[in-house]
Amino acid sequence: NAGVTQTPKFQVLKTGQSMTLQCAQDMNHEYMSWYRQDPGMGLRLIHYSVGAGITDQGEVPNGYNVSRSTTEDFPLRLLSAAPSQTSVYFCASSPANGGVSSGNTIYFGEGSWLTVV
Amino acid sequence: KQEVTQIPAALSVPEGENLVLNCSFTDSAIYNLQWFRQDPGKGLTSLLLIQSSQREQTSGRLNASLDKSSGRSTLYIAASQPGDSATYLCAVIGGTYKYIFGTGTRLKVLA
Repeated sequence: NAGVTQTPKFQVLKTGQSMTLQCAQDMNHEYMSWYRQDPGMGLRLIHYSVGAGITDQGEVPNGYNVSRSTTEDFPLRLLSAAPSQTSVYFCASSPANGGVSSGNTIYFGEGSWLTVV
Repeated sequence: KQEVTQIPAALSVPEGENLVLNCSFTDSAIYNLQWFRQDPGKGLTSLLLIQSSQREQTSGRLNASLDKSSGRSTLYIAASQPGDSATYLCAVIGGTYKYIFGTGTRLKVLA
């Protein structure tokens, strides 16, 4: 049971380059999301999706783009990388009513370390 | 705007000690509160979820309490072990999928 899988694990980009962080889950979860984790800032929500074809912005969406064409996949695109996007990125998924209904907890991938130089 | 604070930011204790990690939040209108563990280079793993109607949850050596009225939660770890060394994060859940995370407490248990 793979859970939430993120690729790549590590990436170095030059300012202005674009790239896509991949996320896939095999639990048939409705909800998927992307967070970034920075020192002293906690996890901040970038974008999320409540189902295929439906996406919305989180707390820090600028500079990022997402799409959800299938239930399983939720890629995060950096359009023109900036040094401020140096961070650790986590993809997460949860079933319906995640967090509100007991037992419907959120599952995280192992993270993608991105450095923009 | 909901804000979640965890104090202390880092903690170092000798093996066998009982310890308490704190989490405070500014808006008491929450559904649930959840504690996570994060190992270096890894994602977050759920430890305990406390529903707003509950006051505590227990799992093995872990006990989490919730006091909504005061905006506080504690995670109690009994008889700490070096394997407990990790960062512990709390998150308040303000609605379906609406997780707000604290900045975490980095715990080191010394053998």
